[in-house]
Formats: sequence, C-alpha cells, structure tokens
Amino acid sequence: SQQGEEDPQALSIQEGENATMNCSYKTSINNLQWYRQNSGRGLVHLILIRSNEREKHSGRLRVTLDTSKKSSSLLITASRAADTASYFCATVFYNQGGKLIFGQGTELSVKP
Amino acid sequence: DVKVTQSSRYLVKRTGEKVFLECVQDMDHENMFWYRQDPGLGLRLIYFSYDVKMKEKGDIPEGYSVSREKKERFSLILESASTNQTSMYLCASSFQLVHEQYFGPGTRLTVT
Repeated sequence: SQQGEEDPQALSIQEGENATMNCSYKTSINNLQWYRQNSGRGLVHLILIRSNEREKHSGRLRVTLDTSKKSSSLLITASRAADTASYFCATVFYNQGGKLIFGQGTELSVKP
Repeated sequence: DVKVTQSSRYLVKRTGEKVFLECVQDMDHENMFWYRQDPGLGLRLIYFSYDVKMKEKGDIPEGYSVSREKKERFSLILESASTNQTSMYLCASSFQLVHEQYFGPGTRLTVT
C-alpha cells in the first residue's frame, strides 16, 4: 500500500491566500519530497527535505517535517492562479532500495 | 536543466499489439524509472534501472518488460497490450536513488 497519505484531497482558495497541504507516512524515512503536476503533464520536483531537517524554504514554498509525528506539510504563500495543480508528497524509505512512494496528491485550485 | 523526453505524448494501440515506450534523459543519470498513473491509484512504479542492462521490478511489473542498452535510454515494452494497460505512463531519472527525480511529460496510452 502507498505510504504517503495526503490531506486534503482537494483545496480551493482565492488568489493571494495561503495554501497548506499535509502528508503523513508510516515508517522511518530517508527523505521526503514534494512534486507538482499540472494537468496532464509530468511531475516537477519542488523540494526535498531530509529526515534530519525540520524546515526548508524555496521561494514561496515552505516545507516542514515532523519525524515524531511522521508528517510533513507544504505551505504555498500568496498563491497565484498559476499554482493550480496537483501536489504530491513522495517518501524514500530505508530498506526500500531508494524507491519513491507517492501519495495520492492534493488538487489545488487557485481562483483569480 | 535536466531534460527527460518521451517518444510520444499520445498513443492508441489495439489489444494484443506490442507497444514500445521510449524515454531519453540528457543528464547522465544512473537511475531511470517507469511509472503508471491512474485516477484514484496515484503513481505506481513498474520497473526501474540503476545501471545499463540492470533492471529491478517495481510494484506492478506484470505485463511489462524493460530494456536499458544505453545509459540515456530506458524503454518500456508491453508485450501484448491489454485494455487494462490504458493509462498515463511517466518516465523519470535521478542521479542517485534517494535523490529527486526528473520526469518526462508523460505518454497517455489508450488500448482499444
């Protein structure tokens, strides 16, 4: 079964608002990654956060990792219509040969 | 920038046909991956390769085979296409297994 579970499944906000997406997993990880997928396209890597890191930033993106709760969150600040996409977390587990295990994704809709 | 290209964006094949999906990356990455993406099931790993002529089964290898004769090229083969293989197929590559993956644009395959 897939290890990454994302919440919410869908999120609709107005331009300028912040969007927060959450990801939970079940076993110890090497790292956790966030990807974006625009409709019908391939995935684009956003941020990788290692198990010994707690927070990372990239532009308007902020990712946190709480290994004690086995959860991560992706915050997009000051959202834009162009942020409309599906967002996936993917975990790399120890003893899984480095495979990425993807969550089901959160569909974000940003209305202008 | 890393570029991963896939041979076709859209493909329509008949049941029983042999189908080749090709993927090429230009960043000298060791690892290459084939996923399929279906609504409600997310991304599932079919096969991956960590070196030329080396391959490992992913989570759903049945009905598929792969070939990696050159470092930059990774082919997915459907020996006898069936309607349940209608899906979006995504290729990806990475420098190391635990690193971020770079995805191609995807091939939407329809088997009739």
